[in-house]
Order: sequence, then C-alpha cells, then structure tokens
Amino acid sequence: DAKTTQPNSMESNEEEPVHLPCNHSTISGTDYIHWYRQLPSQGPEYVIHGLTSNVNNRMASLAIAEDRKSSTLILHRATLRDAAVYYCILRDGLETSGSRLTFGEGTQLTVNP
Amino acid sequence: NAGVMQNPRHLVRRRGQEARLRCSPMKGHSHVYWYRQLPEEGLKFMVYLQKENIIDESGMPKERFSAEFPKEGPSILRIQQVVRGDSAAYFCASSPLTGISYEQYFGPGTRLTVT
Repeated sequence: DAKTTQPNSMESNEEEPVHLPCNHSTISGTDYIHWYRQLPSQGPEYVIHGLTSNVNNRMASLAIAEDRKSSTLILHRATLRDAAVYYCILRDGLETSGSRLTFGEGTQLTVNP
Repeated sequence: NAGVMQNPRHLVRRRGQEARLRCSPMKGHSHVYWYRQLPEEGLKFMVYLQKENIIDESGMPKERFSAEFPKEGPSILRIQQVVRGDSAAYFCASSPLTGISYEQYFGPGTRLTVT
C-alpha cells in the first residue's frame, strides 16, 4: 500500500477554517484518496474521497495537488465536534487489497473554543 | 436506515475464555470488514467477508481468531482462549459494494477487556 504522511497534531479555533495536509508522494495512478475521522470513543467516520479533481460535500472539501503527491482536507468552519483524529488513506487499485482501509497515525485535531 | 450495529458494546472475559463479537451491517450491505484498535495504537485491518465467503483474511492472527458472515444473521468475530493482549476495540464496517471508490460505514465498536 502506498504510504501517507500527516502531521501528528494540529490546533484550530472554533469557527475558523482548518487545512489538514497529507503527503502521498508514492501514489499510483489508480489510487483514490480517502479521508476518515475518528471521534473519541467512536468508530471511524467517512469524510470524503477523490481521485484527481477537487471534491466538495456537506462535511468538507478535498483539494488534490495537480501531481497528486499531496492533498488537503479543508473544514470550512471548525466546530468543537470536529475534534478528532483525521486519517488520510490511499486505496489500492487492486480489487482485493483495495477493499481494506490501511490507517496510519493520522492527525489529532484540537478545536479551541 | 439503521447504521452498523455491534454487540456487545463492552465485553469482559477471563484469560482462556472465548469471545464472540457480533456485527449487523447496514441494510442492503453485503460486504463486512473487521478492524482492531489496540490501546494507544492505530486501527488495523483484520478480515473482509462477503456472505458465506472470506475474501481477505491477511490481517487475522493465524491462531485463535476466526470470522464468519453467514447467509442469514450477523457477522461473527470469534476469539478462542483469549489472552490479555487481545484487549482492544474491535470495529466492524460494511459497504454496499466493494471497490476503492466506496466508503465503509463503521459501527460503534466492541471494547474487549481480558482480565
């Protein structure tokens, strides 16, 4: 599985935008970029995913670099409920191995009131 | 549409006992995945199942662990002769289809404590 690198932790203030970076310099052409988050004492939660183009949904936006070697998850207005560990995950293009999620260390996001 | 359900939410077992963890996927989902999160560690994939088939068990410990997803009923993760090192949170996820563009929906987890 291609590897991702994320900062261990980040801090934000409530109501401000948050940009969570992810480096994936060994990404292959068929790897999708997925983001999940895990709130304290809960199971992971899907946030967003993309392949080449930037993506928006009700939770967040995903900005993908033109060379696809990095991406940024954008929370437009952080709330206290967004405090979680955020995982950037590459999903392999192979059918079987691509079905599993390979979680790294993730970024612990702290949101200050 | 109810989410992924796992039970029990908390399970305490003595060393040497068996632990059975159940997972009911979301309605219409026929793909189930199990993950384990050891204390202070990240989530690790264990096994991927479809109805009556194990598709990928590359993350399962070779001994004492087994999983099934029968034609009817929930998926079961079974741990025989539990040891203290099995204490962890076990998460189940489901998806309607497989493939890299489909998200997985996770349950709340079962927290296993081995005493």
